[in-house]
Amino acid sequence: EVQLVESGGGLVQPGGSLRLSCAASGFTFSDHYMDWVRQAPGKGLEWVGRTRNKANSYTTEYAASVKGRFTISRDDSKNSLYLQMNSLKAEDTAVYYCASSLYASGPFDSWGQGTLVTVSS
Amino acid sequence: SYELTQPPSVSVSPGQTASITCSGDKLGDKYACWYQQKPGQSPVVVIYQDSKRPSGIPERFSGSNSGNTATLTISGTQAMDEADYYCQAWDSSYWLFGGGTKLTVL
Repeated sequence: EVQLVESGGGLVQPGGSLRLSCAASGFTFSDHYMDWVRQAPGKGLEWVGRTRNKANSYTTEYAASVKGRFTISRDDSKNSLYLQMNSLKAEDTAVYYCASSLYASGPFDSWGQGTLVTVSS
Repeated sequence: SYELTQPPSVSVSPGQTASITCSGDKLGDKYACWYQQKPGQSPVVVIYQDSKRPSGIPERFSGSNSGNTATLTISGTQAMDEADYYCQAWDSSYWLFGGGTKLTVL
């Protein structure tokens, strides 16, 4: 059974940092593109960024809203995906999902349950 | 910047056909996906590559994409289909989601 389990969410002050993790199981993690998607309370889905697979040199892409502040990384030996978030703002408050794709053109065929990040003083 | 536009809400009677649109410049030149999200749950893909259905998704879900509009069609809509639906497409180097459509079955 495919599973994605996020962790690391919580309350952080504006300007602070947080690192999210996503543990994957039930599929060949190294073959997959991995993405982070967030959803502010009561709002729609917003793509955060992606890391490609080893065959595509683990290259990354980011949404303009987080570029320069967030960094996506992965450790295929641990079947894990990470999201390092720095210089957090109130508008970064959201549930953060990790999602997997076997193909560059999608779809996101599996999603985690999400982890809530709250940025507030 | 590229945008995907969806109607905020669509209503349908049980057993009828619901159509949810997603508009974007030359969207037909890209692959579109559709996700269903029920309250308190993670999204689930219901259509990918414009019109393909993942295993386990009922046949009543179908999709099309041409010109500037992708459409998700639910035939014989059931109460269990009440949810938020999001379209998605890849543009240059980033993924885009539409703003979402709340489907109400009444």
